[in-house]
Amino acid sequence: QMQLVQSGAEVKKPGASVKVSCRTSGYSFSSYDIIWVRQASGQGPEWMGWMNPNNGNTGYAQKFQGRVTMTRNTSITTAYMELSSLRSEDSAVYYCARDLGYSSSCDFWGQGTLVTVSS
Amino acid sequence: QSVLTQPPSVSGAPGQRVTISCTGSSSNIGTGYDVHWYQQLPGTAPKLLIYANSIRPSGVPDRFSGSKSGTSASLAITGLQAEDEADYYCQSYDRSLSGSVFGGGTKLTVL
Repeated sequence: QMQLVQSGAEVKKPGASVKVSCRTSGYSFSSYDIIWVRQASGQGPEWMGWMNPNNGNTGYAQKFQGRVTMTRNTSITTAYMELSSLRSEDSAVYYCARDLGYSSSCDFWGQGTLVTVSS
Repeated sequence: QSVLTQPPSVSGAPGQRVTISCTGSSSNIGTGYDVHWYQQLPGTAPKLLIYANSIRPSGVPDRFSGSKSGTSASLAITGLQAEDEADYYCQSYDRSLSGSVFGGGTKLTVL
């Protein structure tokens, strides 16, 4: 069955970087964009950007331009999201999701990765 | 503040019908961009309920329906059940932001 399995929780200091992985299985990895969404405690989801696993093309939310990098390793059908220059406001659960193909409509989601930024 | 505005909360008794609105602008919904709806239970990832304004993914009960008109969209839930108690979010593309955005969310309480 279709699965997106994310890496475990991270604790980082302000100014550091974090890289979250999203291992996929059960479908053709190259055929669907991967979307990254984060959600701070008690807040709504926040769209971070997309990546096309077939060619590596990406599109990032303006808010994260210059700080986020989305990549993939097609040989292991895994997507990655790296966020740099972390600050306390970046503490959130980060999700990867599969784009169904209708402008970032996400039909399958990872379990989420909690990133805590604290000195 | 999201560019997609949702009521913070709605409520209804079991069996009743409720609607959740999502109000945007000419920069997003009003331009014709699709609206999607998600249901989120505590501690879990969002679940896609409606995509492309009114299409239900396989497995979503037909008690859930979506519509769009002008700069707004709505999610309707009929025959309310206790398990429908959750947070609901709309999502669309915004051309000013050059990216997708989520609404602020609506908490549904089943009385």
